[in-house]
Order: sequence, then C-alpha cells, then structure tokens
Amino acid sequence: EAGVTQFPSHSVIEKGQTVTLRCDPISGHDNLYWYRRVMGKEIKFLLHFVKESKQDESGMPNNRFLAERTGGTYSTLKVQPAELEDSGVYFCASSPGQYNSPLHFGNGTRLTVT
Amino acid sequence: GENVEQHPSTLSVQEGDSAVIKCTYSDSASNYFPWYKQELGKRPQLIIDIRSNVGEKKDQRIAVTLNKTAKHFSLHITETQPEDSAVYFCAASGVGGFKTIFGAGTRLFVKA
Repeated sequence: EAGVTQFPSHSVIEKGQTVTLRCDPISGHDNLYWYRRVMGKEIKFLLHFVKESKQDESGMPNNRFLAERTGGTYSTLKVQPAELEDSGVYFCASSPGQYNSPLHFGNGTRLTVT
Repeated sequence: GENVEQHPSTLSVQEGDSAVIKCTYSDSASNYFPWYKQELGKRPQLIIDIRSNVGEKKDQRIAVTLNKTAKHFSLHITETQPEDSAVYFCAASGVGGFKTIFGAGTRLFVKA
C-alpha cells in the first residue's frame, strides 16, 4: 500500500508570506492528523479530521492556521501570514477507523520562516 | 492539559548494552501507549505498542512495561546495535478521542 505522502518536503518563506502544505493519507484511512515538531521538543498535536469533519482542532496555535480536508481525501494546512515561530517540521499522519490504532506518518514538511 | 514526559533526552550506549527510556503521562484515562522510532531523515514509525490491560509486551529485543498506578511506561532495548540509533518517541492516547500525545523524544546513540 502507498504510504502517507506530504508535499513539499521543504519550504523556506519570509515572514508575512503564505504557505500551503498538503497531505495525502493512506487510501481508506478515515482519520487524518496534523502534528508539528519544533527542534528538540515533542511532536505536538494540531488537529484531527474524521473523513471531512474536524474532530478536534484544540492544538491549532491561532487563526493564522487553516486546515481543510475536502471530500475526506487529501488535506491542506495553510499558514497565513507566517511568523518566525511557525518554523518546524509539520507531520501528517493517518489511521483507519478503529479506536486507538497506530498512526502512519508522512515524511514531514520542514518549514523555515525567515 | 494532557502531557507526556520523556527521559532521558539523549542516551549513549555501547553496542550490546541495554537501553531504557522512561515516560510518564498525566491523563489517567489514557489506555494506549505506542512507541515510535524516527531514523535520521525518515518518518516516525511504530515499533511497539501496549494497551492498558497488560503490564508488559515483548517483541524480540524490544520490550515495553506499563505501570498504570504510577502512570509510568518504559521501553527496553536489549543487545543494542548501531542500527538502533534513532530518536524514540513515547506517546499516550485514550478515552475521549483519538488524540495521541507525544513525549519530547530520546536521541539514542549506539556506539560500535
């Protein structure tokens, strides 16, 4: 099976610009998650989709972050306008519908805001 | 809020020695505890997990133990090999949703 894919792998933008990250989950996985890791810290939860619905967005830092999952397939995470503290590695993960099943991660997008 | 503490942040061992990584969690409703390994430049991948109805689980050189009373769980790697070098993350999730909370990671170095 194809794994979780993320695009781009790296992005370098200036403060104030906009960036959109994309995630394609494993086909058939209803659950899609976004996480972020800042160097040396935990992999921090951002939000969780079940199909096209936002199940939990309690980890979204502020309203500069907007996530969508149209049609319950791929998801996008847009940061607008980007700030320096948004730098980090953004991971997407997916899992099937069963409660408490393991997460399948993508390779991540390394975002650098200068 | 929920959090997971992980120690140590860095661990260096000689090849063949054992490595132990310890985690504590705050949410007593947590009932699923996965461990992920992230090799340099790669994605985190599940290596072992344990559910709250058992106290220990083994898979070859890797074992996890869980103490629900103390809210502690640990990863034990025996006979370490250079290819075990990676960042290891513990995590917890539980009742109320699918949100998985991660520790800050342990960078393990296995010296040949």
